[in-house]
Amino acid sequence: TQLLEQSPQFLSIQEGENLTVYCNSSSVFSSLQWYRQEPGEGPVLLVTVVTGGEVKKLKRLTFQFGDARKDSSLHITAAQPGDTGLYLCAGGEYAGKSTFGDGTTLTVKP
Amino acid sequence: ETGVTQTPRHLVMGMTNKKSLKCEQHLGHNAMYWYKQSAKKPLELMFVYNFKEQTENNSVPSRFSPECPNSSHLFLHLHTLQPEDSALYLCASSQRQGIEAFFGQGTRLTVV
Repeated sequence: TQLLEQSPQFLSIQEGENLTVYCNSSSVFSSLQWYRQEPGEGPVLLVTVVTGGEVKKLKRLTFQFGDARKDSSLHITAAQPGDTGLYLCAGGEYAGKSTFGDGTTLTVKP
Repeated sequence: ETGVTQTPRHLVMGMTNKKSLKCEQHLGHNAMYWYKQSAKKPLELMFVYNFKEQTENNSVPSRFSPECPNSSHLFLHLHTLQPEDSALYLCASSQRQGIEAFFGQGTRLTVV
């Protein structure tokens, strides 16, 4: 079984600060997905990274896939209260075989 | 219409009740999934359907019974549940063998 470990588990910061969360594994993944989940809602897909070393940007969010395709990071610049939520990484051969990490709960205070 | 719709959003049921969760997707996908999300646990994949055929059943107790009448609809029939089954139940869909899943808003289930 391919396991994904996310860190930190919880993160509380002030509006305007920068942050990075991590998704690590000892296994190689063909791709990794990042999702954001707000309380009481389902996860919403943010991005998929496929190529080792790939960097993708989504407004203030920057996603990077490790060169060896075993890890990924999500960096948020100038965090806003609207960024609050649970950030999940997932990876697997295809959606029906994906493993999800435990998630990082981010709170951005005004 | 939203991509994946789940009803009801909230459900409280007794341990002797029978209820069903419904999921409908409008994305033209041909794979659908049920997940369970409990506090302090990773998302757990329960069932996988490809083209209406169940292809995965990850050791889920028989008190959970899925049904997939067509590629757009998925049900989860519940009976004689236990309090520890209280959780957020999420439906998702994808292209068959696709790597990206699209989730519904979930059903918050409380078993009393």
